[in-house]
Amino acid sequence: DGGITQSPKYLFRKEGQNVTLSCEQNLNHDAMYWYRQDPGQGLRLIYYSQIVNDFQKGDIAEGYSVSREKKESFPLTVTSAQKNPTAFYLCASTVGHYGYTFGSGTRLTVV
Amino acid sequence: QQPVQSPQAVILREGEDAVINCSSSKALYSVHWYRQKHGEAPVFLMILLKGGEQKGHEKISASFNEKKQQSSLYLTASQLSYSGTYFCGTEPSDSGAGSYQLTFGKGTKLSVIP
Repeated sequence: DGGITQSPKYLFRKEGQNVTLSCEQNLNHDAMYWYRQDPGQGLRLIYYSQIVNDFQKGDIAEGYSVSREKKESFPLTVTSAQKNPTAFYLCASTVGHYGYTFGSGTRLTVV
Repeated sequence: QQPVQSPQAVILREGEDAVINCSSSKALYSVHWYRQKHGEAPVFLMILLKGGEQKGHEKISASFNEKKQQSSLYLTASQLSYSGTYFCGTEPSDSGAGSYQLTFGKGTKLSVIP
C-alpha cells in the first residue's frame, strides 16, 4: 500500500544536538511538506518542496534544515539553533488538488 | 495569515448536527478540511476549489464562499467516530503554481457523546 513513513515515532534530543527526522513516500508525489504541531496552535509550515533539489522556507523555518535529493525522501534536521523544538512533527505530500496525505508523525522531546 | 476557525470546541450527542466555520483574510484558491484523532495524523476529508469543484468523502458536506473567503463544514447525524479535532487548511490565490501550500487554522475540537 502507498503511503508516507515517518521515523522514528519518538525522538529525544539533548541540548545542543542536531537530530534528523525521516520522511519517505511511495506515492510518487512531487510536493512534500513539513509541519510542526503544538497544542492549541494547529499546524505550522516549516519547509516545503515542489521538486527534487528545490525547497522553500515556510512560516517557521528558523532552526530547521531540509534536503530533497530523491523524489521519495524529504528529511528534516532540527538544529541546535532551534531553541524550543519539543513538538509533534508531521510530514505530508500531495500530487495536486487532491488533498494531503500525512505520515504518522514524530514526537520530539528535548531532555 | 492563519485562518480563523469557530467554534473552538463543541460537544454533541449522537445524532445531532454541527457546523464548523473557517474564515480567511486572504483571497483563496482552495480550502481543505481534515480530521485528526488524538496522537494520530490528520486525515483528508474534503477540498473545495475556486469555481465550485469539490472532492472528498461522499458523507461529508461543505461549502465555500469565495467572495467572503469563508468555508463551512457540515456534520449531520453525528456518530461517536466523528470525534476529533477538525482543521481547515487554506491555499491563497497568489500561491506559487504547483506549491499547493496550505495554512492551517488552530482547529475545532468535536466531542460526540452517547
